[in-house]
Amino acid sequence: KQEVTQIPAALSVPEGENLVLNCSFTDSAIYNLQWFRQDPGKGLTSLLLIQSSQREQTSGRLNASLDKSSGRSTLYIAASQPGDSATYLCVLPSGGSNYKLTFGKGTLLTVNP
Amino acid sequence: DAGVIQSPRHEVTEMGQEVTLRCKPISGHNSLFWYRQTMMRGLELLIYFNNNVPIDDSGMPEDRFSAKMPNASFSTLKIQPSEPRDSAVYFCASSLEVAGNQPQHFGDGTRLSIL
Repeated sequence: KQEVTQIPAALSVPEGENLVLNCSFTDSAIYNLQWFRQDPGKGLTSLLLIQSSQREQTSGRLNASLDKSSGRSTLYIAASQPGDSATYLCVLPSGGSNYKLTFGKGTLLTVNP
Repeated sequence: DAGVIQSPRHEVTEMGQEVTLRCKPISGHNSLFWYRQTMMRGLELLIYFNNNVPIDDSGMPEDRFSAKMPNASFSTLKIQPSEPRDSAVYFCASSLEVAGNQPQHFGDGTRLSIL
């Protein structure tokens, strides 16, 4: 059974800082890994999807890496802004499935102006 | 482009009443998912449709829950009779296809409170 752990559970930084969110998982037989953000009272927004054959994906100020052998992924946010404040979720398919997702509990990020 | 649209956004009803949640997936997406989010259990997959056919309903908690997808642009999740422990946020998500590892796009959810 896939288990996903995210560290830290909460993070508060001043605006402009670069930061790294960490995700570890137990089953490396995965199709892909996704990072989502969830704003209060809202659904999940997909930020980046890394295929199992890829090492990283970039979108704007976001960069996600994937190391299947060690069961780790990181989400790097450059030059953080107050609008980045949200909960960030690491999500992987579980049990050899390509649709049944296991969600991490998330990192609550607060970027202070 | 319009995203996944869910209605209602909020629902408050008394125990024993029937509740119907609605979802309109993104046009052209052929996979649809219903999730439930609670503080205790996080996000759980309830049911997955592909091309309007239920593929995996193993996450549906009990017979009080049912889901339908009569066409490619509409799905419902029904709870009858509702109970207080059904209180949660219910999300609908859709994706272009599953086999191609496309990301799932989520609606804003329905916050359900059963009194």
